[in-house]
Amino acid sequence: DAGVTQSPTHLIKTRGQQVTLRCSPISGHKSVSWYQQVLGQGPQFIFQYYEKEERGRGNFPDRFSARQFPNYSSELNVNALLLGDSALYLCASSFGVVATTEAFFGQGTRLTVV
Amino acid sequence: RKEVEQDPGPFNVPEGATVAFNCTYSNSASQSFFWYRQDCRKEPKLLMSVYSSGNEDGRFTAQLNRASQYISLLIRDSKLSDSATYLCVVANTGGFKTIFGAGTRLFVKA
Repeated sequence: DAGVTQSPTHLIKTRGQQVTLRCSPISGHKSVSWYQQVLGQGPQFIFQYYEKEERGRGNFPDRFSARQFPNYSSELNVNALLLGDSALYLCASSFGVVATTEAFFGQGTRLTVV
Repeated sequence: RKEVEQDPGPFNVPEGATVAFNCTYSNSASQSFFWYRQDCRKEPKLLMSVYSSGNEDGRFTAQLNRASQYISLLIRDSKLSDSATYLCVVANTGGFKTIFGAGTRLFVKA
């Protein structure tokens, strides 16, 4: 079975632009969570979606938004990019609604803002 | 104060050594606790959940002390392949918000 897949793997954007990152969960998993990981730090929680509804939100500005589709895939959107948004963006999927329980991470999208 | 704090590391140990990582959390309402492992430039992977009664998985032992808001991970008989960053994870209020510690880097040397 395929694991969690994220696209693209790498991305370079200019300050002020908008970006959309995509995540496909493991088949049968209904929960998707997004994290931002800056070099040398642990992943920072951004959002959790379950059954297409937002169930949790971390301390990120409104420039960050996400959604989950009927097939449980998800998109993370970031508007008005700042240099500080440069990071590895990780998506994790799990079967149940409780975040991190048996959560499986994708390999991430490395975003560079110049 | 950070919500989840870990030993800063890095830890440099020889093969066969026993090493312990500590983690404290600030929210007493936290409900679920985990240790994840992250290899260099890879995604985090669940190492083990942490239960109040303590739990063991082979060479790995996790402990939780709710009164002290403290979590630990003990690795016995360290292997070269144990070299990685170990992340302490705390989930709050129904598990909808998850907090990762900054991670503790472990280097196991031959």
